[in-house]
Amino acid sequence: AQSVTQLGSHVSVSEGALVLLRCNYSSSVPPYLFWYVQYPNQGLQLLLKYTTGATLVKGINGFEAEFKKSETSFHLTKPSAHMSDAAEYFCAVTFYGNNRLAFGKGNQVVVIP
Amino acid sequence: DSGVTQTPKHLITATGQRVTLRCSPRSGDLSVYWYQQSLDQGLQFLIQYYNGEERAKGNILERFSAQQFPDLHSELNLSSLELGDSALYFCASASGAGRGTEAFFGQGTRLTVV
Repeated sequence: AQSVTQLGSHVSVSEGALVLLRCNYSSSVPPYLFWYVQYPNQGLQLLLKYTTGATLVKGINGFEAEFKKSETSFHLTKPSAHMSDAAEYFCAVTFYGNNRLAFGKGNQVVVIP
Repeated sequence: DSGVTQTPKHLITATGQRVTLRCSPRSGDLSVYWYQQSLDQGLQFLIQYYNGEERAKGNILERFSAQQFPDLHSELNLSSLELGDSALYFCASASGAGRGTEAFFGQGTRLTVV
């Protein structure tokens, strides 16, 4: 079955430390992949996406993600966390044959001063 | 500001009632998507419209219906409301219907059924 998985609902990271959020998908055909961020009382904002081409994708706010087909993964990273990065992060995919976004459960990121 | 407007922002209503949620997409966007976000189910796709026509349907209950009007705004109607319908309802719009097209989300309508 097609699915998208994010492990660890809450992630704590120290200010200045690496942010790493994991996303894996299950699909025989690689999907299109997205990362969205949701700040409190806000809608979702696109951080970055991968459709085709270069597998390392750079997004807004210093985030980047790498598509690894062999690992069916699209992990999100940021070298140095800021307090403003505290938010909920969602990995999402559109599987081959449809254009609806299927979301992971999300990661609530807490940045510790 | 994504350019997608949802009204109302908050809605409190009683079980058994009917409500209408409204979404105005970004100027020029033809696609409108509706999603439901709840603590237990996460973000779930409900339905998509493209230029007035229903394009795709997800886990939308029969008590729920939607439409997209000629001016491209969309409404989501929820009837015979139950406590479990309490959730954040998001509308998103996109310029096209392709699966790589970026979707822009509104701030959502928080529905509380009491």
